[in-house]
Amino acid sequence: NAGVMQNPRHLVRRRGQEARLRCSPMKGHSHVYWYRQLPEEGLKFMVYLQKENIIDESGMPKERFSAEFPKEGPSILRIQQVVRGDSAAYFCASSPQSDSGNTIYFGEGSWLTVV
Amino acid sequence: AQTVTQSQPEMSVQEAETVTLSCTYDTSESNYYLFWYKQPPSRQMILVIRQEAYKQQNATENRFSVNFQKAAKSFSLKISDSQLGDTAMYFCAFTYSQGAQKLVFGQGTRLTINP
Repeated sequence: NAGVMQNPRHLVRRRGQEARLRCSPMKGHSHVYWYRQLPEEGLKFMVYLQKENIIDESGMPKERFSAEFPKEGPSILRIQQVVRGDSAAYFCASSPQSDSGNTIYFGEGSWLTVV
Repeated sequence: AQTVTQSQPEMSVQEAETVTLSCTYDTSESNYYLFWYKQPPSRQMILVIRQEAYKQQNATENRFSVNFQKAAKSFSLKISDSQLGDTAMYFCAFTYSQGAQKLVFGQGTRLTINP
């Protein structure tokens, strides 16, 4: 059973470009979460999605950031017009639809570097 | 708002020793879950142990155990017979049961196991 798959693992973008990070949840999981980890800090919640629905986006910056989890395909975290401060590790996590005791499983992260 | 505090930025012990990492949290919720995650140099987030607030018994996973003091809102992690592979950042995290599994993380403790 494959774990949460994220790609790319490393992404370099110039200021002003767009970054797209993809996440495929574990098999059987229909809930996806995105977290951001700035250097030397803990993870911060960004957004929680179910298929075709954004459930909680209270941690998303108001501008330039968006997320989706379409009916088919992976979840996408999109950052438009990236700035140096967007450089961070972005972790995706997933959980099954049924109550799993509130345990979520993380992917290996995508490292975004803005130059 | 829930907060999680890890007061030890760094710790270092000799191999085979026992080490305890501290974590305190603040919440008005009565039912919630607490976690310890490990982030080794590979940067992957690995679940170490989980505690359900309504359970009085402290969780144990092999060499890892917790001391959960609900009244004091304290959740420390004890690592027995420490091994070189335990070297990592350790994050304490909290989520409340009715939430969208939105984890709140502490700042982390960098643990180094010396040979």
